[in-house]
Amino acid sequence: AQKITQTQPGMFVQEKEAVTLDCTYDTSDQSYGLFWYKQPSSGEMIFLIYQGSYDEQNATEGRYSLNFQKARKSANLVISASQLGDSAMYFCAMRELNYGGSQGNLIFGKGTKLSVKP
Amino acid sequence: GAGVSQTPSNKVTEKGKYVELRCDPISGHTALYWYRQSLGQGPEFLIYFQGTGAADDSGLPNDRFFAVRPEGSVSTLKIQRTERGDSAVYLCASSLTTIQGPTGELFFGEGSRLTVL
Repeated sequence: AQKITQTQPGMFVQEKEAVTLDCTYDTSDQSYGLFWYKQPSSGEMIFLIYQGSYDEQNATEGRYSLNFQKARKSANLVISASQLGDSAMYFCAMRELNYGGSQGNLIFGKGTKLSVKP
Repeated sequence: GAGVSQTPSNKVTEKGKYVELRCDPISGHTALYWYRQSLGQGPEFLIYFQGTGAADDSGLPNDRFFAVRPEGSVSTLKIQRTERGDSAVYLCASSLTTIQGPTGELFFGEGSRLTVL
């Protein structure tokens, strides 16, 4: 089964509008972390935002916020006031923190390609 | 430099050849990761080091792939008898570690693009 599911292969948004990129995850661990990364056409992976499974508040970083719904196992990324430079691939990822097992690596989804229209 | 450094940035080789890809992590980061990213896909985990030892190599696709990190800093990903299907961007990343394990985000290098003809 997919650990991270991103159901939107591509999304369009008008400049200055807000957009939500979906991410659902699958884990039986109680302790885990959720990450969003941006990958522009240049190929670099840029960290955007992090949410811990025990964090009660939704994470926010500037124009990025994470809509964390633990019961639904969803961690959607919201980008407010979209800019042309936001056009990129966006990846959701999870790190499971099951101490004693493999707790290191991030598991990535397949990504969503966001295109911002002027 | 301050970031994760990967060399070469591009490598073209012929089927059946041996290839080495190098990663120099951020100073002080004891956790180091290798990922493979095919066109239009998300990064696929290969192997993760904690210090000198491979803490998880479950992502290596077969025994043609091997990675080392002998002194706990620089790592080399080695691919033997390359196949056309090995063509991808190989990403290296590093992160901080606490007593409980890796913490925080992964910092990625710019990747090594491997093309097997």
